[in-house]
Amino acid sequence: AQRVTQPEKLLSVFKGAPVELKCNYSYSGSPELFWYVQYSRQRLQLLLRHISRESIKGFTADLNKGETSFHLKKPFAQEEDSAMYYCALIWGGASGSRLTFGEGTQLTVNP
Amino acid sequence: DAGVTQSPTHLIKTRGQQVTLRCSPKSGHDTVSWYQQALGQGPQFIFQYYEEEERQRGNFPDRFSGHQFPNYSSELNVNALLLGDSALYLCASSSPLERGRRDTQYFGPGTRLTVL
Repeated sequence: AQRVTQPEKLLSVFKGAPVELKCNYSYSGSPELFWYVQYSRQRLQLLLRHISRESIKGFTADLNKGETSFHLKKPFAQEEDSAMYYCALIWGGASGSRLTFGEGTQLTVNP
Repeated sequence: DAGVTQSPTHLIKTRGQQVTLRCSPKSGHDTVSWYQQALGQGPQFIFQYYEEEERQRGNFPDRFSGHQFPNYSSELNVNALLLGDSALYLCASSSPLERGRRDTQYFGPGTRLTVL
């Protein structure tokens, strides 16, 4: 079965410190993974898609198929990074697709 | 482009009533997916519509039904509301389904449903 696990519900770091939000997945096919972010009182928005291999707002994420992980990293956290972060797996095919989300990690960056 | 829009923003209903939520996709998108997000949890997939047909369905009872119109907008209907249906309902849209392609989904602001 498809599953996404984010082991930390809450994560607190100080400004300027490195941050890593963990995500593990379970999927028998070829995975496509995303990170979505939800800032306070805003809609869920796409942060990263693994196949794009981008760095958005200083965040990067590498897909590790051996460890079935897609951890989100940023070398120097900023206060404006405080938000709820969701890891998600998209699966399906020509008949349609769906996202399976983890339960999310609330990141707080302290001054 | 306003992106994905949803209405209403908030809704309060009582147990047993029926509710209809509405979604307009992002310009250029013709696939709409609905998700339920309970407090403190990640969104859960309800169903997806493309070409006015339900293409995929998650683990939700038949009380949850939907519709897609020719202009690609969509409705989510929930009958016989239960207290447990209280949640944020999210709509997401994506660009045309192509064989074997799974596209990025863009989310609306959600409708907060409270069932008393």
